[in-house]
Amino acid sequence: DIQMTQSPSSLSASVGDRVTISCRTSQSIINYLNWYQQKPGKAPKLLIYAASSLQSGVPARFSGSGSGTDFTLTISSLQPEDFATYYCQQSYSTPLTFGGGTKVEIK
Amino acid sequence: EVQLVESGGGLVQPGGSLRLSCAASGFTFSMYWMHWVRHAPGKGLVWVSRINSDGSSTRYADSVKGRFTISRDNAKNTLYLQMNSLSAEDTALYFCARVRAEKWGMDVWGQGTTVTVSS
Repeated sequence: DIQMTQSPSSLSASVGDRVTISCRTSQSIINYLNWYQQKPGKAPKLLIYAASSLQSGVPARFSGSGSGTDFTLTISSLQPEDFATYYCQQSYSTPLTFGGGTKVEIK
Repeated sequence: EVQLVESGGGLVQPGGSLRLSCAASGFTFSMYWMHWVRHAPGKGLVWVSRINSDGSSTRYADSVKGRFTISRDNAKNTLYLQMNSLSAEDTALYFCARVRAEKWGMDVWGQGTTVTVSS
């Protein structure tokens, strides 16, 4: 199974801050890496697919980068609606695996 | 409107069974691979199972293999998850989600249905 290591597990930030979340996989997944945003009690929302492609309708302040085993989600200017938990997920092989999540809280 | 609506969750005793359904609308269901993902209270997201577009190929997480069965009825635009031999560890909010093809991200999710396993 491909292990996902996501960091940090939580962070505090202010509106307007630049936020970076990292995801490392235990083996190369080429670029089969997706990022999701989840708010309490709600379904996850796809933000980035194939490591760096912005899902339709997602604001351009979200971006993804990386390949192989190291990936990054960046929020260029944090907005009030961005406070949520973020997950990375590999779609390279089954069993599909998610990172442990990063909770972004208001400072 | 593209939509997935789960149903069938509830309270069940350990060792019991449930069948979850996921009704799709607003898109050509038969063209998409489908997944089940669960979210236990206070934990992260966990992938459960997937099925390809025509139902000929399925995969499971080790934790549910042999107990859960994923299936689909493309004529009814519905995905299923038959869950047997349930234990407290299966307690979670269960989501269905679609993908355009095997290695794509899950771009549409249902609202989830809650499964609680308790005596």
